[in-house]
Amino acid sequence: QKEVEQNSGPLSVPEGAIASLNCTYSDRGSQSFFWYRQYSGKSPELIMFIYSNGDKEDGRFTAQLNKASQYVSLLIRDSQPSDSATYLCAVNTGGGNKLTFGTGTQLKVEL
Amino acid sequence: DVKVTQSSRYLVKRTGEKVFLECVQDMDHENMFWYRQDPGLGLRLIYFSYDVKMKEKGDIPEGYSVSREKKERFSLILESASTNQTSMYLCATAKPSGYEQYFGPGTRLTVT
Repeated sequence: QKEVEQNSGPLSVPEGAIASLNCTYSDRGSQSFFWYRQYSGKSPELIMFIYSNGDKEDGRFTAQLNKASQYVSLLIRDSQPSDSATYLCAVNTGGGNKLTFGTGTQLKVEL
Repeated sequence: DVKVTQSSRYLVKRTGEKVFLECVQDMDHENMFWYRQDPGLGLRLIYFSYDVKMKEKGDIPEGYSVSREKKERFSLILESASTNQTSMYLCATAKPSGYEQYFGPGTRLTVT
């Protein structure tokens, strides 16, 4: 079993809709969870992080964490074509500052 | 803003060459990381460093070495490049008190 799993997609949503991206992880000791956005040919850009169970909102983005079920999700409200990218979930594992990344979910926002 | 720069955006090398990839950050971050990214495999950690002259192996260190002589600079070395090292190489930095990692623009290396 992979440590951090994401559906590779592509996930297609119409412009203005809510995009829901999901991630599961295997290390119950993980404490920190991150979402990165990566445009084609570019490097990952940090967009959200969450440490506590529940929801964390930042503009159109909401991160949700459920440690008991070992999943973290990212909701993007009012999706725009500029949101089309690959979204990487990252989880700190094994202590220290190391992150383990999922393989990413490709999001396509269609006009 | 954190600024992380990498020495080249694109690099083409021949099999057997020694290759140096350099990463420089200007935010006084203690932690630095080298990843490679391949389609379907995601980001994989090669080496990381928590301090000057300190290094630790990541998940796929074989065929690579690193050097950190100064806090702001972390170099990845391919001792004898092979075609299976063709990849996108990404450097990242982080503060010791936080887990957020900030990435450089990446180097796309092709080994022929």
